[in-house]
Amino acid sequence: GENVEQHPSTLSVQEGDSAVIKCTYSDSASNYFPWYKQELGKRPQLIIDIRSNVGEKKDQRIAVTLNKTAKHFSLHITETQPEDSAVYFCAASSSGGGADGLTFGKGTHLIIQP
Amino acid sequence: NAGVTQTPKFQVLKTGQSMTLQCAQDMNHNSMYWYRQDPGMGLRLIYYSASEGTTDKGEVPNGYNVSRLNKREFSLRLESAAPSQTSVYFCASSDTGGRAEAFFGQGTRLTVV
Repeated sequence: GENVEQHPSTLSVQEGDSAVIKCTYSDSASNYFPWYKQELGKRPQLIIDIRSNVGEKKDQRIAVTLNKTAKHFSLHITETQPEDSAVYFCAASSSGGGADGLTFGKGTHLIIQP
Repeated sequence: NAGVTQTPKFQVLKTGQSMTLQCAQDMNHNSMYWYRQDPGMGLRLIYYSASEGTTDKGEVPNGYNVSRLNKREFSLRLESAAPSQTSVYFCASSDTGGRAEAFFGQGTRLTVV
């Protein structure tokens, strides 16, 4: 089955700086890669996703890049703000439509230092 | 529009007791899932239901059973709870016909003593 590795487990950045979280996956058939943000005590919520036919996607301060050859994808957050502090999870799905569920990385605790 | 609703929010069980976690979605999604979240482990798939009438095992199915009661509802049952099943459980649903975003319920914090 799919295996998703996520690094780093903890990331501390100064407010206003950029943050990058990296993930690798094992199944070359995976074709859908979402990122979820989870605040303390809350449910995970989708912040951005990318499909395997696209190399990069942006949404305001958030971007995701995908390298299919190397089987890795990254989350980039620019101009970080205090409200970006949370745990971020990457995930991969080989079904494209998510019918057989997502395989998640173990999470990155992002800390924004004032 | 409530999205995905789970009950209960908190539960304490004694070892060997049984219970059922309930989940319902009002987004007309075909697929529903049960995940468990443990510290440092991310979210791991327990069971899923790709469509009404079907269920399949995920990564960590041992000790659990599920029922897809209808298109809206997907329940998770612990027949004989063990301390290793102490976790936060999340139900999720997604629309496999188009967007693949998974929408999560608010979670159930289960402690087995």
